Amino acid sequence: SQQGEEDPQALSIQEGENATMNCSYKTSINNLQWYRQNSGRGLVHLILIRSNEREKHSGRLRVTLDTSKKSSSLLITASRAADTASYFCATDGGGADGLTFGKGTHLIIQP
Amino acid sequence: DTGVSQNPRHKITKRGQNVTFRCDPISEHNRLYWYRQTLGQGPEFLTYFQNEAQLEKSRLLSDRFSAERPKGSFSTLEIQRTEQGDSAMYLCASSYPPWNEQFFGPGTRLTVL
Repeated sequence: SQQGEEDPQALSIQEGENATMNCSYKTSINNLQWYRQNSGRGLVHLILIRSNEREKHSGRLRVTLDTSKKSSSLLITASRAADTASYFCATDGGGADGLTFGKGTHLIIQP
Repeated sequence: DTGVSQNPRHKITKRGQNVTFRCDPISEHNRLYWYRQTLGQGPEFLTYFQNEAQLEKSRLLSDRFSAERPKGSFSTLEIQRTEQGDSAMYLCASSYPPWNEQFFGPGTRLTVL
């Protein structure tokens, strides 16, 4: 079963705009990770935020985590055409059962 | 290239046949994971190895599925008596504690006719 739920399921914006994706999950976590997937490069790890962190930045990416609401958001600033992809959040419960992924948000950046 | 590699990239087989996939993790990574991804869904965990020991198996991993990681290096995933429902992308990932990021291979796309 999939724990994470990304919202929205699809998002289309103009190049240069900011894109925000949300993720909700159900059980306690050790960390939460965001991945990008496109047909050319497969699943690429973007950023990891630990359960005791509230915000993290990496280049044009900003991730927030609210463990009380069991939710996270991914902000991509100044979007580019190359950002077109599916974005997945994945939770790590700290056990030996791998990551639990959501269904993803399909992001389209229009030139 | 020092990333995770998977072979073959594509496999087409007839129902009832056996198939085997291979994954070569990043060399210093002692943790290896298998996932399955179907169209429109996120990856779903199948099984996990720490070195050569298989420590966890999902209920998704039926008796027709078996995975090995001899000597704690590469891993193989075998599906016996394939069914059309096995058609999916099979992904392998590796990681090295204490860092929890998992690095994924390009996947093997299986089509069962």
